[in-house]
Amino acid sequence: AQSVTQLGSHVSVSEGALVLLRCNYSSSVPPYLFWYVQYPNQGLQLLLKYTTGATLVKGINGFEAEFKKSETSFHLTKPSAHMSDAAEYFCAVTFTGGGNKLTFGTGTQLKVEL
Amino acid sequence: AAGVIQSPRHLIKEKRETATLKCYPIPRHDTVYWYQQGPGQDPQFLISFYEKMQSDKGSIPDRFSAQQFSDYHSELNMSSLELGDSALYFCASSTAGTMETQYFGPGTRLLVL
Repeated sequence: AQSVTQLGSHVSVSEGALVLLRCNYSSSVPPYLFWYVQYPNQGLQLLLKYTTGATLVKGINGFEAEFKKSETSFHLTKPSAHMSDAAEYFCAVTFTGGGNKLTFGTGTQLKVEL
Repeated sequence: AAGVIQSPRHLIKEKRETATLKCYPIPRHDTVYWYQQGPGQDPQFLISFYEKMQSDKGSIPDRFSAQQFSDYHSELNMSSLELGDSALYFCASSTAGTMETQYFGPGTRLLVL
């Protein structure tokens, strides 16, 4: 079965500091990986996704993630945090033959401090 | 750009009542997904439809049913509501295909008293 683990349910960074949100996956077949962001009382917005091809994926709002098969990881990074980045971030996985349903990690709440 | 529309946005029901949640996908999207997000939890897949046929089923209780109509909108029907059904219910839509991005609606917040 496919699964996603997000290390750290809460991450706090200073404004301007590097953001690193960790995601590891477990999959017996090639996965398709996604990062979604959820602002309070809002739906989920896609930040970026990895399907095939280039392993470094750039998304919206300056975020990027690198698919590392050897480490089964898909960590999300942003060089410089902004106050508006404060939100909950979900890593999700699907795979060929999985009907396209997303399996989400438990989420990481990002806090950005002045 | 048009987004996924969900109605109602908020719903309060008593135990044992029924509820119907509606989802209107992005135009030209033929696939609809339903997810349930409990308080402080990650979204859990319930069910999906492609071209009006159920395409996949997750952890959806037998008390719940759903369908997709000819105009591609979908409805999630929930009966004999329980306190534990209180959650945020998301609908997402996409075009067909495993790698296609799912676009989420704003959700319906259901509170069962």
